[in-house]
Amino acid sequence: DAKTTQPPSMDCAEGRAANLPCNHSTISGNEYVYWYRQIHSQGPQYIIHGLKNNETNEMASLIITEDRKSSTLILPHATLRDTAVYYCIVPRSTTSGTYKYIFGTGTRLKVLA
Amino acid sequence: DGGITQSPKYLFRKEGQNVTLSCEQNLNHDAMYWYRQDPGQGLRLIYYSQIVNDFQKGDIAEGYSVSREKKESFPLTVTSAQKNPTAFYLCASSIDVQLPTDTQYFGPGTRLTVL
Repeated sequence: DAKTTQPPSMDCAEGRAANLPCNHSTISGNEYVYWYRQIHSQGPQYIIHGLKNNETNEMASLIITEDRKSSTLILPHATLRDTAVYYCIVPRSTTSGTYKYIFGTGTRLKVLA
Repeated sequence: DGGITQSPKYLFRKEGQNVTLSCEQNLNHDAMYWYRQDPGQGLRLIYYSQIVNDFQKGDIAEGYSVSREKKESFPLTVTSAQKNPTAFYLCASSIDVQLPTDTQYFGPGTRLTVL
């Protein structure tokens, strides 16, 4: 039960914005939305996270809808090096008081020259 | 240079042999994790440790064992009881697994092939 739904694949032209959607309709009030990406045969790389306000850092922007049921990761000017699998994660609280990451299969983004 | 190191990058073992994968972090993080990734799949949690001398089973702990004797180190042993050990293994660490804003940072991974 990944708690998030993402399209399996997307293409984006180099230099254009890449908009990656994620549905998390069962998110709870204090649960954050996290985004990671994994380039082939490497460890996942943290990108950004947010609760309800839009967030921006040097890598990307995160837009969370007002009802918090979905979000969009935006890579403003995609390059070939952004080709990767992107994971949207909502850490789930457990009965032991810890937060657990559940990884789905993510979105495979291919940036085209 | 702070981060997480895993060694070796590639590991080959014969069926029936135990093998230990190394994970070291110098981020001063309390929590550490081991994940397994099969081709085309997401990561699955094997074990995690909140603090030194403590660890908990994840979703797929059978056939694996861990220890946490030092804050910096969280080795994973893949035993002969693991039915299908060939996979990509990833180690991660974070400040405090009890925080909703706890961000995990991942190492480069070890690709284990059992022949």
